[in-house]
Amino acid sequence: DVKVTQSSRYLVKRTGEKVFLECVQDMDHENMFWYRQDPGLGLRLIYFSYDVKMKEKGDIPEGYSVSREKKERFSLILESASTNQTSMYLCASSFGDLVGNTIYFGEGSWLTVV
Amino acid sequence: SQQGEEDPQALSIQEGENATMNCSYKTSINNLQWYRQNSGRGLVHLILIRSNEREKHSGRLRVTLDTSKKSSSLLITASRAADTASYFCATQVGYSTLTFGKGTMLLVSP
Repeated sequence: DVKVTQSSRYLVKRTGEKVFLECVQDMDHENMFWYRQDPGLGLRLIYFSYDVKMKEKGDIPEGYSVSREKKERFSLILESASTNQTSMYLCASSFGDLVGNTIYFGEGSWLTVV
Repeated sequence: SQQGEEDPQALSIQEGENATMNCSYKTSINNLQWYRQNSGRGLVHLILIRSNEREKHSGRLRVTLDTSKKSSSLLITASRAADTASYFCATQVGYSTLTFGKGTMLLVSP
C-alpha cells in the first residue's frame, strides 16, 4: 500500500515563527502536492512538485515555500506564520504523468497559529 | 480556481438506503475523480472516470459522467453507517492538476 506520512499531526505555533511541515512517501512517486483545507472552501493547492528540486505554484502560494531535495520528501515552509494560515494541511503524491492518475493523501497536519 | 461543485452540501439517510451525490463543472475535462474523507483524516481515492466513459462501477459505488451536461453523479447503494464521510469530486482539465470541489457530507444513521 502507498503510504504518505506527514510528520506532525497537530502543531501550535506563534505568529511570526518559521514553520516546517514535512511529508514523506514510500512509493517512489514523481509528483508531490501540498493542499490546505478550510471549512467552506474545500481543498486548495498550495504548491506541487513533479521532480526533485522542481516546484510549481498552485492556487494559493502566497506566504508559503516548498523544498524537494529528495524524491520521497516534500516540505512545506511557512516563512512567517500568521493566524490566517491556521488550517489543515494535506500532503499527497502520485505516480508518473500528472494526467489521469490517482492521488494518495497523508492523514493531514492541523496547524494552529496563535 | 474552483471547478467541480458538489450537490447537495449535506445528505442524511438511513442504513440500507441509497445515497446519490452530484458534481457539476464548468469546462471540458480530461477525467473526473471521486474521493472520500473520514472526519479529520486524509482523502482516499474511490474511482476515476475518463471523459470518454459514461459509467463505472466499483463494489457498491456507481459513477456516471454526462459530458454534455458537465455533470457526474456518485451512487452508493445499500449505505452503511461506515459510509459516513465527506465525498469530493475532483476534475482535471488538460494537463493541469486536479481541482477539488467543496464536498458533500454524508451521514448514514443506523
